[in-house]
Amino acid sequence: DGGITQSPKYLFRKEGQNVTLSCEQNLNHDAMYWYRQDPGQGLRLIYYSQIVNDFQKGDIAEGYSVSREKKESFPLTVTSAQKNPTAFYLCASRTGADTQYFGPGTRLTVL
Amino acid sequence: QKEVEQDPGPLSVPEGAIVSLNCTYSNSAFQYFMWYRQYSRKGPELLMYTYSSGNKEDGRFTAQVDKSSKYISLFIRDSQPSDSATYLCAMRNTGGFKTIFGAGTRLFVKA
Repeated sequence: DGGITQSPKYLFRKEGQNVTLSCEQNLNHDAMYWYRQDPGQGLRLIYYSQIVNDFQKGDIAEGYSVSREKKESFPLTVTSAQKNPTAFYLCASRTGADTQYFGPGTRLTVL
Repeated sequence: QKEVEQDPGPLSVPEGAIVSLNCTYSNSAFQYFMWYRQYSRKGPELLMYTYSSGNKEDGRFTAQVDKSSKYISLFIRDSQPSDSATYLCAMRNTGGFKTIFGAGTRLFVKA
């Protein structure tokens, strides 16, 4: 089945710890995105990548880092510099004029 | 002023009612308009996708775009309890890699 997978579904982070969220797609999409969703708020763009080995900062990139070494994969690292990381993280992908398709999300909680 | 405005609700209706969900926007360059449905703790799923102005119908769902008024709507006919979810509007311009999302409207359909 084609789609986007995110893992883990739930993640707990201790103070000062870096954690990495996985996002994989087998849709052969060129562009991939990371969003953060907080209760009662819309989706805020963290980073996006149009092609392999290239990515751009979104609206709230501080405290986050990404890599795009393969077309299928776009992992997000939440660093200790992100002071308020508790949120629901969504990965999405898109190709051409098509619209975005989302993964199931990862819920990150700071302990 | 946000680029996309969406009433967060909640909106509560009885089963079988016609539901009207709306968004306004300020950027006249937007050409692609989407509606996503998001169940609690899940990733958004694409519901409707419209290019430029006009109407699009899919089963019980109708999407309308009025570019002159910068206003988009989603109508749900014969609403069901399973329609209870958050509905996100989204839009982007031609060639754009960033999609702008509304905050989402929470809908409750009572049996």
